[in-house]
Amino acid sequence: GENVEQHPSTLSVQEGDSAVIKCTYSDSASNYFPWYKQELGKRPQLIIDIRSNVGEKKDQRIAVTLNKTAKHFSLHITETQPEDSAVYFCAASIGSGGYQKVTFGTGTKLQVIP
Amino acid sequence: EADIYQTPRYLVIGTGKKITLECSQTMGHDKMYWYQQDPGMELHLIHYSYGVNSTEKGDLSSESTVSRIRTEHFPLTLESARPSHTSQYLCASSLTTGGGNSPLHFGNGTRLTVT
Repeated sequence: GENVEQHPSTLSVQEGDSAVIKCTYSDSASNYFPWYKQELGKRPQLIIDIRSNVGEKKDQRIAVTLNKTAKHFSLHITETQPEDSAVYFCAASIGSGGYQKVTFGTGTKLQVIP
Repeated sequence: EADIYQTPRYLVIGTGKKITLECSQTMGHDKMYWYQQDPGMELHLIHYSYGVNSTEKGDLSSESTVSRIRTEHFPLTLESARPSHTSQYLCASSLTTGGGNSPLHFGNGTRLTVT
């Protein structure tokens, strides 16, 4: 089955700096890669996603890159703010028709220091 | 407002009790999932469903059962709760699209404590 590794497990950055979280996956059939943000005591929420036919996607301060050959994808947050502090989960998904199997990474706790 | 709702939000029960965690969604999604998560930690898939009368076990061995009699409702039942079941349980749903993949929408979770 699919295996998703996520690094680092914790990350501290100064406000205004950039943060990068990296994930690798094992199954070349994975074709969808969402990222979720989970604030303390709240539910995970989708912040950005990328499909396998795209190499990069950007939404304001957040960007995701995908390297299918190397089977890794990364989340980039620029100009970090204290409200970016949360646990971030990457995921790799295999979907076709009515079938979808999602495998999550182990999470990265990001702390933005004011 | 279309959303996914879980009840109760918090539950404290004694060992050996039977409990049902409720999950309902008004988003018109066909797929539903149950995850177990210790706060801020890894998400473990315990059950999923692709539609009415479809249920499958996930990757994490679980002593729970689920049912999917209605599209919008996906309850999780523990026949005999144990302290090892103490955790947070997150329900999620997604919509089948042409490409097969779509994002998961999560409920607020039920935090279960078994004494």
